[in-house]
Amino acid sequence: DSGVTQTPKHLITATGQRVTLRCSPRSGDLSVYWYQQSLDQGLQFLIHYYNGEERAKGNILERFSAQQFPDLHSELNLSSLELGDSALYFCASSVEGDRGTYEQYFGPGTRLTVT
Amino acid sequence: DAKTTQPNSMESNEEEPVHLPCNHSTISGTDYIHWYRQLPSQGPEYVIHGLTSNVNNRMASLAIAEDRKSSTLILHRATLRDAAVYYCILRDFLSNAGKSTFGDGTTLTVKP
Repeated sequence: DSGVTQTPKHLITATGQRVTLRCSPRSGDLSVYWYQQSLDQGLQFLIHYYNGEERAKGNILERFSAQQFPDLHSELNLSSLELGDSALYFCASSVEGDRGTYEQYFGPGTRLTVT
Repeated sequence: DAKTTQPNSMESNEEEPVHLPCNHSTISGTDYIHWYRQLPSQGPEYVIHGLTSNVNNRMASLAIAEDRKSSTLILHRATLRDAAVYYCILRDFLSNAGKSTFGDGTTLTVKP
């Protein structure tokens, strides 16, 4: 158990809908990262938040957005869902502002299926 | 971001050592080398990281070439539970931004 929690575990929804994925980092960790893992694209970095502020964006679509709240939990919002958005979404956390010296702890993931 | 290159797959026998290579010829002086692994149906798990010197922890050892253009993750005695996809990634310690490019990794198969 990494100490990172993600809800829900599974989510099935229809095209065009909007969903919210939630992540609670390990106690004391200020950084939260979101990743998408699909069968054909591997593990893709989406976005990084540090103590409520956005620090970096990766391959995140405009239909996707995220935020980190004062209690440090984070939410990833996915809207106008398409079949291709079906994937595993992982959240990870690390101790502080990512300077490459700190390991990331990953949650168990949310499996999103868009039908 | 600097990229890494790993073999697609490797096989090992149980209780034998495993050496997983990673090439990172465009590594910069501020990049740390991190290794993660992902067991089936689980999130990635941190294994080890280093900058210039070889590193050891309870899970593995990391051997870094003198020019830092390659590294090797060493599992001293492979077990069936070590069967996973192993990712080698570079993370810049000067950057505040957590961009980590995970490549395709190496799928390790451990035979009993």
